Amino acid sequence: SQQGEEDPQALSIQEGENATMNCSYKTSINNLQWYRQNSGRGLVHLILIRSNEREKHSGRLRVTLDTSKKSSSLLITASRAADTASYFCATDALSNTGKLIFGQGTTLQVKP
Amino acid sequence: DTEVTQTPKHLVMGMTNKKSLKCEQHMGHRAMYWYKQKAKKPPELMFVYSYEKLSINESVPSRFSPECPNSSLLNLHLHALQPEDSALYLCASSQRTSGRGRNEQFFGPGTRLTVL
Repeated sequence: SQQGEEDPQALSIQEGENATMNCSYKTSINNLQWYRQNSGRGLVHLILIRSNEREKHSGRLRVTLDTSKKSSSLLITASRAADTASYFCATDALSNTGKLIFGQGTTLQVKP
Repeated sequence: DTEVTQTPKHLVMGMTNKKSLKCEQHMGHRAMYWYKQKAKKPPELMFVYSYEKLSINESVPSRFSPECPNSSLLNLHLHALQPEDSALYLCASSQRTSGRGRNEQFFGPGTRLTVL
């Protein structure tokens, strides 16, 4: 079963604007990861945040994690047309099996 | 080499055919995964191999048969598939499956499978 829920399902913004995507999950986790997928292609790992971390940055990406609310957000600043893709959060639960539970994804469209 | 490769990129097969999907990585990763992804949906885990042993089978029908010949290779053998099995099949690898460390997965570009 999918434990990650994302919102919004779809987001359309202009180039230069910021994009925020949210992810909620149900069980305790080791870490939470964000992936990007361009249409019909493989997923690309963006950033990993551990359960004892609250915020992490990587270039134009900022991820927050609130384990008390079981939620995370991904902020993409100064978006570019090349950021157009689907974004998935994935949780690594405490099972230590390597199994990731993916959220339903947010489809981001950045208009030039 | 930080790449996961998959062959073929596209595959069209009939319901009576036998075919195989191949996946390869040379990052020294000891965990490898098969996922199935339908359009506009997240990837669904099918199988996990850890140190070349099958550790997770997510109740996948027996018409899908995984194989891990060595630590760099992962195959998915297909036989008597149904049209509803048409999907993007993704392979991924990670350093390991367990522990509290970094276990992000590296994905291949996928094989687009169409079953007629």
